[in-house]
Amino acid sequence: NAGVTQTPKFQVLKTGQSMTLQCAQDMNHEYMSWYRQDPGMGLRLIHYSVGAGITDQGEVPNGYNVSRSTTEDFPLRLLSAAPSQTSVYFCASSYSPRGTQYFGPGTRLTVL
Amino acid sequence: AQKVTQAQTEISVVEKEDVTLDCVYETRDTTYYLFWYKQPPSGELVFLIRRNSFDEQNEISGRYSWNFQKSTSSFNFTITASQVVDSAVYFCALSEPAPGGGTSYGKLTFGQGTILTVHP
Repeated sequence: NAGVTQTPKFQVLKTGQSMTLQCAQDMNHEYMSWYRQDPGMGLRLIHYSVGAGITDQGEVPNGYNVSRSTTEDFPLRLLSAAPSQTSVYFCASSYSPRGTQYFGPGTRLTVL
Repeated sequence: AQKVTQAQTEISVVEKEDVTLDCVYETRDTTYYLFWYKQPPSGELVFLIRRNSFDEQNEISGRYSWNFQKSTSSFNFTITASQVVDSAVYFCALSEPAPGGGTSYGKLTFGQGTILTVHP
């Protein structure tokens, strides 16, 4: 089992560019989510999904889009990158919404 | 609103010392789950323990132990005989109920983290 995988590990974007952060899990987990980690702010929930075809907004969804076409994959799209989106992004998955969430290794994103 | 407070921002100990990381939480939920995660210098988040609100038994796993006290809303984590490899940021987290009820919401509310440094 690879667990939760994320690509890329590092990314530098210019303001206004768009990109997709990839997340995949091989544990057949229904629940997946995206968090961002900022110094002094802890981790904050961006978007989550309770199963294929179902997504919803978390605490800080603005500027991000998600879709869930399969159980395994949950990509996060930045529509028009801004310096405020410089952060470390973690994808997580769990068997159920209140089950143990297992995190991917993270993507460190810098927006210039 | 849910809240998790880790009052100790940084702790520094010498190897083999015992160390306790404090976690205090606030929730309106009657059924909730508490977690501890470790974030080593490499950056990943490693799951350590999950505890539900109905199970107040303390738990021990090797050098790690957890003390859950519902009466004081605390879920403290103790490392016995600390080692250099224990150096990391430790996060306490609380599962949060859906704003409108329901069971499909799995947001974790994290504390700010405690940076533990274990010196040789």
